Amino acid sequence: GIQVEQSPPDLILQEGANSTLRCNFSDSVNNLQWFHQNPWGQLINLFYIPSGTKQNGRLSATTVATERYSLLYISSSQTTDSGVYFCAVPRAGGTSYGKLTFGQGTILTVHP
Amino acid sequence: EAQVTQNPRYLITVTGKKLTVTCSQNMNHEYMSWYRQDPGLGLRQIYYSMNVEVTDKGDVPEGYKVSRKEKRNFPLILESPSPNQTSLYFCASSSRMGVVKLFFGSGTQLSVL
Repeated sequence: GIQVEQSPPDLILQEGANSTLRCNFSDSVNNLQWFHQNPWGQLINLFYIPSGTKQNGRLSATTVATERYSLLYISSSQTTDSGVYFCAVPRAGGTSYGKLTFGQGTILTVHP
Repeated sequence: EAQVTQNPRYLITVTGKKLTVTCSQNMNHEYMSWYRQDPGLGLRQIYYSMNVEVTDKGDVPEGYKVSRKEKRNFPLILESPSPNQTSLYFCASSSRMGVVKLFFGSGTQLSVL
């Protein structure tokens, strides 16, 4: 199955700083999603981004499918951005979206 | 409001006592799935369903059963729970066409004593 690696595993920021989270995957995909798990455990879908760039407020994401990686940018971070960020791709590559494989996550802590 | 509803939120049980965790979505999604989340192991898929009466195993299906008799419901059944099934469980759903975004329920924290 496909391998998904996220980096860094942990990230500590001061409020207002910018950050970049990375997701590498080992096979071509047609479905990549980024999620945020807040400190209360709730999982929220941030982006569906199989290719290209999308922006949503202070967050943006870019996927370069040909090079098998995706980046999540957080600008002007706030304490509410704290939590764990996951990327997920289909387990067996492009069409098998039913079996999604998640990366291990990046734990982000934003201090006031 | 579009949502995925899981119940219960917390559950403590004993080894061997059958239990069911319910999951319901109101978005008419074809695809539904169950995950478990454990420290150091991340999110792992248990079972998924592409539509009514269509289910398949994920990465860690042992000890679990599912059924999909209606489009909106996808219960997770533990016939004989064991302590290694203590975990945080999430149900999720998405459409199968177009933008295939996954929506998660609020989670069920299960403790098996």
